[in-house]
Amino acid sequence: SQKIEQNSEALNIQEGKTATLTCNYTNYSPAYLQWYRQDPGRGPVFLLLIRENEKEKRKERLKVTFDTTLKQSLFHITASQPADSATYLCALDPLNSGYSTLTFGKGTMLLVSP
Amino acid sequence: DTAVSQTPKYLVTQMGNDKSIKCEQNLGHDTMYWYKQDSKKFLKIMFSYNNKELIINETVPNRFSPKSPDKAHLNLHINSLELGDSAVYFCASSQARAGNEQFFGPGTRLTVL
Repeated sequence: SQKIEQNSEALNIQEGKTATLTCNYTNYSPAYLQWYRQDPGRGPVFLLLIRENEKEKRKERLKVTFDTTLKQSLFHITASQPADSATYLCALDPLNSGYSTLTFGKGTMLLVSP
Repeated sequence: DTAVSQTPKYLVTQMGNDKSIKCEQNLGHDTMYWYKQDSKKFLKIMFSYNNKELIINETVPNRFSPKSPDKAHLNLHINSLELGDSAVYFCASSQARAGNEQFFGPGTRLTVL
């Protein structure tokens, strides 16, 4: 069966360090992989999208890698700040029907302490 | 100038009642979605509409009926509410072409007593 796995335990890091979150998947052939941020009581907010033929994508302090052989994406936040504390969701889009059909992982909570 | 809005934000109701949640987007997107996020924070697609036409209908009880009066609105009507329907329901929208980001509303927290 299809599975998307993200670290279920919260990731605690100190301000200024690099946070690395993992998204592993099985039995998927995603055309796209997206990362979202969700704060308590709010809807997810899009951060980055990476295509299956891309190895890496960057946006300011954020970096995403996508390894279709390992079936894994890594999400990095460099120089982390307490304001980065949130739950981060990865989402796969297989592009079966020509429409976006995102399947989300359960998310990893990131806690950045000052 | 909210991009995706939902009403109400909170909904508390008794088992067996019928309720509706409304969603509107002012982004000019062609595609709209309903997601359910349960108590374990798992976000799951329920329905997707493109230009008022249903394109995705996941395994959802037929007590849930989406309606899209125009491409800027997607409402969700739920009949005979059950305890297990308690969750946060999110509306989202995107451009029709796949591979685009989705914009989420603030969510509606439904509590069935």
